[in-house]
Amino acid sequence: AQTVTQSQPEMSVQEAETVTLSCTYDTSESDYYLFWYKQPPSRQMILVIRQEAYKQQNATENRFSVNFQKAAKSFSLKISDSQLGDAAMYFCARGGGGADGLTFGKGTHLIIQP
Amino acid sequence: NAGVTQTPKFQVLKTGQSMTLQCAQDMNHNSMYWYRQDPGMGLRLIYYSASEGTTDKGEVPNGYNVSRLNKREFSLRLESAAPSQTSVYFCASRVTSYEQYFGPGTRLTVT
Repeated sequence: AQTVTQSQPEMSVQEAETVTLSCTYDTSESDYYLFWYKQPPSRQMILVIRQEAYKQQNATENRFSVNFQKAAKSFSLKISDSQLGDAAMYFCARGGGGADGLTFGKGTHLIIQP
Repeated sequence: NAGVTQTPKFQVLKTGQSMTLQCAQDMNHNSMYWYRQDPGMGLRLIYYSASEGTTDKGEVPNGYNVSRLNKREFSLRLESAAPSQTSVYFCASRVTSYEQYFGPGTRLTVT
């Protein structure tokens, strides 16, 4: 089974500080994609950032960036200048090159301390 | 542009009752998905449809059936609900190899 592991059930960070959420995955495919989704209390799943496995350059979206280590099968999310609105569950997910569904980790609950 | 819509938003069933969760997308995506989310878990794939006319089992298909009615609509049916099916259900769609877009979810309670 291809799994996604998030080892931090909960993280806490002070507002305006930087926090890194960890994710490791297992896959036998060479063509795959990695995602971070945010789920606020409204339960809506919101895409934060995506990374194609064939790209060496780490993806960046404003205050959000990833550290993609393909050989180590690691895909961490860094949130800079944390804001109160960043408080949510964050899920790491892996998808293949075809139409298969995503495999999700169990999530990390991010708390922002004012 | 509504994206992915799901009905109903909430539902309470008694054990043994049946119901169908409806999902529609207006983004002209080929692939559609049904997931369930239980407390302390990420989303788990129930069924998916790679294209109109095809459906495939995911990780947790037991107790469910699906129908890809047309390119826009993908329904999930519980024939005989069980308490273990109490969960939040998400429908999603995507263009192959890109991110999935999720509906708002349906909270289902089976008593």
